[in-house]
Amino acid sequence: QKEVEQNSGPLSVPEGAIASLNCTYSDRGSQSFFWYRQYSGKSPELIMFIYSNGDKEDGRFTAQLNKASQYVSLLIRDSQPSDSATYLCAVGSSGTYKYIFGTGTRLKVLA
Amino acid sequence: GAGVSQSPSNKVTEKGKDVELRCDPISGHTALYWYRQSLGQGLEFLIYFQGNSAPDKSGLPSDRFSAERTGGSVSTLTIQRTQQEDSAVYLCASSLDSDEQFFGPGTRLTVL
Repeated sequence: QKEVEQNSGPLSVPEGAIASLNCTYSDRGSQSFFWYRQYSGKSPELIMFIYSNGDKEDGRFTAQLNKASQYVSLLIRDSQPSDSATYLCAVGSSGTYKYIFGTGTRLKVLA
Repeated sequence: GAGVSQSPSNKVTEKGKDVELRCDPISGHTALYWYRQSLGQGLEFLIYFQGNSAPDKSGLPSDRFSAERTGGSVSTLTIQRTQQEDSAVYLCASSLDSDEQFFGPGTRLTVL
């Protein structure tokens, strides 16, 4: 059974701090990794995707991938109250269109 | 441009009734996914359509669930003889290249 694990939280950080969200996965054949943000009562929206080991930066967001250790993380710099949401990690395997979603980490940014 | 739309936004039904949920994907998107999200849970994959290929139905939880996609566009998810455990938000997503998925607003199904 392929699994994607996330700490459910809530993860509370003060405004302006760095929020670090982590995700581990069980399938070593995984090739694509996505972070979605979901506000309460809303549908998920893509924040970032990453395919290669290392860091990928987009504005205040950085995705970090370590395939050897089978984890992917999302860093949010200068966290804002508007970043308060649930962050879902999704993992896809090579040659497949099917993505396994984690249960999400709830982030609370305190003003 | 128009995003993914779903209807109805809310559906309350009685146990044992059949329901149909509709999804209109983004025009031109060949891939379409159905997911189910229960309260406080992640997304549970249900079914995947890609172009004219046979759908991947491996996530459907029982034979009471079925889905079709007509003309490579609109999709309907049908749940027969609904049970209380079917209560959830049903999300549809479409994708152009099987990478970024664009989600619809979802249908909240409540089975009494």
